[in-house]
Amino acid sequence: KAGVTQTPRYLIKTRGQQVTLSCSPISGHRSVSWYQQTPGQGLQFLFEYFSETQRNKGNFPGRFSGRQFSNSRSEMNVSTLELGDSALYLCASSSTSGTRYEQYFGPGTRLTVT
Amino acid sequence: TQLLEQSPQFLSIQEGENLTVYCNSSSVFSSLQWYRQEPGEGPVLLVTVVTGGEVKKLKRLTFQFGDARKDSSLHITAAQPGDTGLYLCAGATDSWGKLQFGAGTQVVVTP
Repeated sequence: KAGVTQTPRYLIKTRGQQVTLSCSPISGHRSVSWYQQTPGQGLQFLFEYFSETQRNKGNFPGRFSGRQFSNSRSEMNVSTLELGDSALYLCASSSTSGTRYEQYFGPGTRLTVT
Repeated sequence: TQLLEQSPQFLSIQEGENLTVYCNSSSVFSSLQWYRQEPGEGPVLLVTVVTGGEVKKLKRLTFQFGDARKDSSLHITAAQPGDTGLYLCAGATDSWGKLQFGAGTQVVVTP
């Protein structure tokens, strides 16, 4: 079974621009979560989508948004980029069946804002 | 603010030595995961523990979940250079799709 894939792997943007990151979950997984990882804050939860609906959201400004498509693929968008948005953005998928909750991560997208 | 406290933050040992990483919280988790992350890559799931007091072994790695499901430990026996990486613990609550991560323990095993 193929793992979680994220595109692009690396991205360099300028302050004020916007960016869209893509995530394809493991086949059969319907839940997709997004995290931001920085050296200072570690992994911080952004939001989670299930069946095209956002079920949960972390404490990030409205510049961070996302969506999920009918095939469970997800995108996240960051508008009006700031230098502090430079981070590794990770997507994780999970199966909602069973009592054991596990998330499987993609390789991440390294975003650098200059 | 990290709800999960990991210690130590950094661990440097020689090949063949043993090490233990701790993950503590005042919150109760329905399950707890341990991940290992290499530089520039996503975290890789090592194990999930669900039941209080549960002990799981994965080759030279032993994971334990506290009786009250608030803390966990990871013990590596006879560490090898391939064990080098950032070890992260993450707890699941009833919040959809959200794992609470510890800050991580950077482990370096030198030959």
